[in-house]
Amino acid sequence: DAKTTQPTSMDCAEGRAANLPCNHSTISGNEYVYWYRQIHSQGPQYIIHGLKNNETNEMASLIITEDRKSSTLILPHATLRDTAVYYCIVRVDRGSTLGRLYFGRGTQLTVWP
Amino acid sequence: ETGVTQTPRHLVMGMTNKKSLKCEQHLGHNAMYWYKQSAKKPLELMFVYSLEERVENNSVPSRFSPECPNSSHLFLHLHTLQPEDSALYLCASSQDSRGGEKLFFGSGTQLSVL
Repeated sequence: DAKTTQPTSMDCAEGRAANLPCNHSTISGNEYVYWYRQIHSQGPQYIIHGLKNNETNEMASLIITEDRKSSTLILPHATLRDTAVYYCIVRVDRGSTLGRLYFGRGTQLTVWP
Repeated sequence: ETGVTQTPRHLVMGMTNKKSLKCEQHLGHNAMYWYKQSAKKPLELMFVYSLEERVENNSVPSRFSPECPNSSHLFLHLHTLQPEDSALYLCASSQDSRGGEKLFFGSGTQLSVL
């Protein structure tokens, strides 16, 4: 799976949009971009994933650049409960064998009042 | 509530003890996983079970012994552990072990080895 690079930490004011970047310059054509988050002392939680089109769900939006070398996770109205470590993961699609999720160090997002 | 329940939530054990971690999923999934998260380290994949058969073992020491009696239950048997094995142990499940993009995690067992 391609390697990802994320900032170590970011801050965001409550109620504002949180934009978390991720670089994956070696991504290949059949690799998806996944985002998970981990709130302190809990297991990671799936947020969203995409291949090349932008995606949106009830939790967040995922913007993938046209060349697919980077992406941004957007939390439109951050709350204190969004404080967590956010992981950007790139992996092959469902058709490949032995696909696994490998978590890096992620971005610590702190939302302040 | 993720549908994946882990017990106990906390465990303290000596190096000569034998204990077991339990995981149960109520999601009808057919793949289950054990991950380890040490302090200030990324999550590490330990074992993968698909349809109750172990399909991956990432060079985990034999003092960790997994067991998957059915598709809803996963155990991690511990014996003769070392202090460096102290970590958060997370169980997860997914619909398929090849896909695995949507993993559902439990809250983990925080293990301390004295």
